[in-house]
Amino acid sequence: GENVEQHPSTLSVQEGDSAVIKCTYSDSASNYFPWYKQELGKRPQLIIDIRSNVGEKKDQRIAVTLNKTAKHFSLHITETQPEDSAVYFCAASSWGLFGTGTRLKVLA
Amino acid sequence: DAGVIQSPRHEVTEMGQEVTLRCKPISGHNSLFWYRQTMMRGLELLIYFNNNVPIDDSGMPEDRFSAKMPNASFSTLKIQPSEPRDSAVYFCASSYGTGVYGYTFGSGTRLTVV
Repeated sequence: GENVEQHPSTLSVQEGDSAVIKCTYSDSASNYFPWYKQELGKRPQLIIDIRSNVGEKKDQRIAVTLNKTAKHFSLHITETQPEDSAVYFCAASSWGLFGTGTRLKVLA
Repeated sequence: DAGVIQSPRHEVTEMGQEVTLRCKPISGHNSLFWYRQTMMRGLELLIYFNNNVPIDDSGMPEDRFSAKMPNASFSTLKIQPSEPRDSAVYFCASSYGTGVYGYTFGSGTRLTVV
């Protein structure tokens, strides 16, 4: 069946450094790739998304890149700040499937 | 719009009792998803409805779990009988279409079974 794999499961970076989270997917028909951020005790919230007709999208300090041929996409956070600490989830299908999550910790 | 509304926010129940979680999706959204979140297993998709019809319930862990969507504005997830291992946060999410415009999550229900 379809699946979405996400790596790494945990990531610690120094404040100001960059963080990269990667996801791979199996369904070649997937055409929408959102990323969600979940702060402690809160609901997941959409932070950025990309569609299959675009290779890269940026929004201030965050960006997502997509390689449809290789079926993988990545979230890039530059100039990380303590408030970026959270769990990040990717999704890559129309059927509600999410990756297993990455716990990002930004060290001050 | 008030967003996706879940109730209750917290539920503590004794093992063996029936538990019913409720969800009201965003008006106009025609897809609804139930998730279970634990530290060990992350965000698990339990069941997905499209136009009130269950499309994929392969994530429902056991026959003790059941979900219904009697109309476009209401869904329930029922656990009967509940067990301590069901303790988790249960999220409901809705979307327009089949998620290609993003999912909006409710605040979740934190279930504790003692």
